[in-house]
Amino acid sequence: QSALTQPASVSGSPGQSITISCTGSSSDVGTYNLVSWYQQHPGKAPKFMIYEGSRRPSAVSDRFSVSKSGNTASLTISGLQAEDEADYYCCSYAGNAIYVFGTGTKVTVL
Amino acid sequence: EVQLVESGGGLVQPGGSLRLSCAASGFTFSSYWMNWVRQAPGKGLEWVANINQDGSRKYYVDSVKGRFTISRDNAKDSLYLQMNSLRAEDTAVYYCARPPAYCSGANCIDSFDIWGQGTLVTVSS
Repeated sequence: QSALTQPASVSGSPGQSITISCTGSSSDVGTYNLVSWYQQHPGKAPKFMIYEGSRRPSAVSDRFSVSKSGNTASLTISGLQAEDEADYYCCSYAGNAIYVFGTGTKVTVL
Repeated sequence: EVQLVESGGGLVQPGGSLRLSCAASGFTFSSYWMNWVRQAPGKGLEWVANINQDGSRKYYVDSVKGRFTISRDNAKDSLYLQMNSLRAEDTAVYYCARPPAYCSGANCIDSFDIWGQGTLVTVSS
């Protein structure tokens, strides 16, 4: 049950695209198509953003997209906006009803 | 409105106990798996435990096994987390979280679509 690995920080200018990686193992990300992503602003509860297969709440912009290759999942934010500045966490199913979160990535809009 | 409201947090000494509650409203609570997720101050999210619809299946992260017990009362639309033998490293905001609507009535979690506002547990002498 080791945390998934994410870069500590990623930054970009408004309008640019950024990608956040989420690296796990063959016990979680690599085996199950069940990776989800969460946004968290300071002092707030996490917010579900998008799920593998690009399922997302209607209120979440289509600027957010996901992909996966092997043991690494990725979240891409296109057309970066000031409101996207937040912490982002990935989460994967790890079998036996167990879930594991990523270490978290702080996104800074320059 | 779909809502989860946690309560029961506070300051407790190491080795002590605390019971957290999560009151659900706006949906059929008894149809969903439910989860607890925590976040230590300045740290990342950590999944803690989950429970199926009738309470017959419960799962925990290794670090809390044998100390924490998740339970639910479907008649009261409430989820609980009994925390015993608390340690300093259990200090965190504890959130309850619900799966997506399509998981209603199914053996399904997939993601954590609905979150409460969290309740802070501080373990310190």
